[in-house]
Amino acid sequence: EPEVTQTPSHQVTQMGQEVILRCVPISNHLYFYWYRQILGQKVEFLVSFYNNEISEKSEIFDDQFSVERPDGSNFTLKIRSTKLEDSAMYFCASSELTSGVYEQYFGPGTRLTVT
Amino acid sequence: ILNVEQSPQSLHVQEGDSTNFTCSFPSSNFYALHWYRWETAKSPEALFVMTLNGDEKKKGRISATLNTKEGYSYLYIKGSQPEDSATYLCASRNAGNMLTFGGGTRLMVKP
Repeated sequence: EPEVTQTPSHQVTQMGQEVILRCVPISNHLYFYWYRQILGQKVEFLVSFYNNEISEKSEIFDDQFSVERPDGSNFTLKIRSTKLEDSAMYFCASSELTSGVYEQYFGPGTRLTVT
Repeated sequence: ILNVEQSPQSLHVQEGDSTNFTCSFPSSNFYALHWYRWETAKSPEALFVMTLNGDEKKKGRISATLNTKEGYSYLYIKGSQPEDSATYLCASRNAGNMLTFGGGTRLMVKP
């Protein structure tokens, strides 16, 4: 069964460094998402992406964050200058559609630790 | 901003027990309600998506109902098994694509 994959599973970085989290969505899906979960808190929406542009973003997704689909398969989240509070589990998701009844399928997450 | 709440936060049951938990969400601007099953170190697994008031969905021993007028959904597990142990997440979606998640219910089924 097709699945969303994410790499790396765990990333440790120093405060102020740039990180890129990678995702390979399900191949025929057209809509991509990033969510995150800070330890002990709820899963939070960051951004959705369609047709090579951001379609929706939350207040969390400030200028330090960017997303890109650099080729036909990868979808990336870049954090330009990491802060301690960026430590979280980051989930990528994808879906075929965004209207009507549809599922968002999630990857296993990348645990980002900022020291 | 939607506020989605789940109860209880955690639940311990014996193998064979049936159980249920609740997801409450704002009924205004509601579009869809999603349930996910999440085991540690794995991807959250999509269980159900429901949109209409009175919807009921079933997958094996797991079923869910939806009341959009009062803003709640129930997830039921009949005859719990140890492999049902996981965190069950609900998420509400408005007309956009954004899912707003509850805090989850952590279920532990003892053999």
